[in-house]
Amino acid sequence: AQSVTQLGSHVSVSEGALVLLRCNYSSSVPPYLFWYVQYPNQGLQLLLKYTTGATLVKGINGFEAEFKKSETSFHLTKPSAHMSDAAEYFCAVSDGNKLIFGTGTLLAVQP
Amino acid sequence: SQTIHQWPATLVQPVGSPLSLECTVEGTSNPNLYWYRQAAGRGLQLLFYSVGIGQISSEVPQNLSASRPQDRQFILSSKKLLLSDSGFYLCAWSKGTADTGELFFGEGSRLTVL
Repeated sequence: AQSVTQLGSHVSVSEGALVLLRCNYSSSVPPYLFWYVQYPNQGLQLLLKYTTGATLVKGINGFEAEFKKSETSFHLTKPSAHMSDAAEYFCAVSDGNKLIFGTGTLLAVQP
Repeated sequence: SQTIHQWPATLVQPVGSPLSLECTVEGTSNPNLYWYRQAAGRGLQLLFYSVGIGQISSEVPQNLSASRPQDRQFILSSKKLLLSDSGFYLCAWSKGTADTGELFFGEGSRLTVL
């Protein structure tokens, strides 16, 4: 069965600093991978996805992620954090009709 | 464009009372539909999904049930709520098995069982 592991349930960065949120996946087939963001008391919004093709995927709000098959990773990055990036971030892998989510990483941005 | 609505947004229920959460999708036909539960520190747990009317797959044994009476309507129910049923419930849809599996989420329903 497919699964994802997000290292670090809480990450804190300073405004303007690099954001790096880690995600490793386990999949028996070529995976489709996703990053979602959730603001308090709201649903999830898609940041970006990898299906096939280019391994560096650009998403909304300046985020990007790189699919590294050799490392089974799909880490999310943003060069410069903004206060509005404070939210919870979820990595997910497709499993047939379903998406399997990680446990999430809560990002805090300090002024 | 497609939209997804779920209600109620917030509810507080006593232990042992029934539950009904509703979710409706507009602007698409024959979507896959999903119920997830989010509990603090536990990420998103898939509860049920449906690929068509009357077709429900249950992911975890629990006190809840789901139904899909119409193509774009998905209902989460319980006959008797437990304290452990508290959480944030999210409905979602996707375009179907031929797609990448991207999910589109509703705004969520926060359930507190007292």
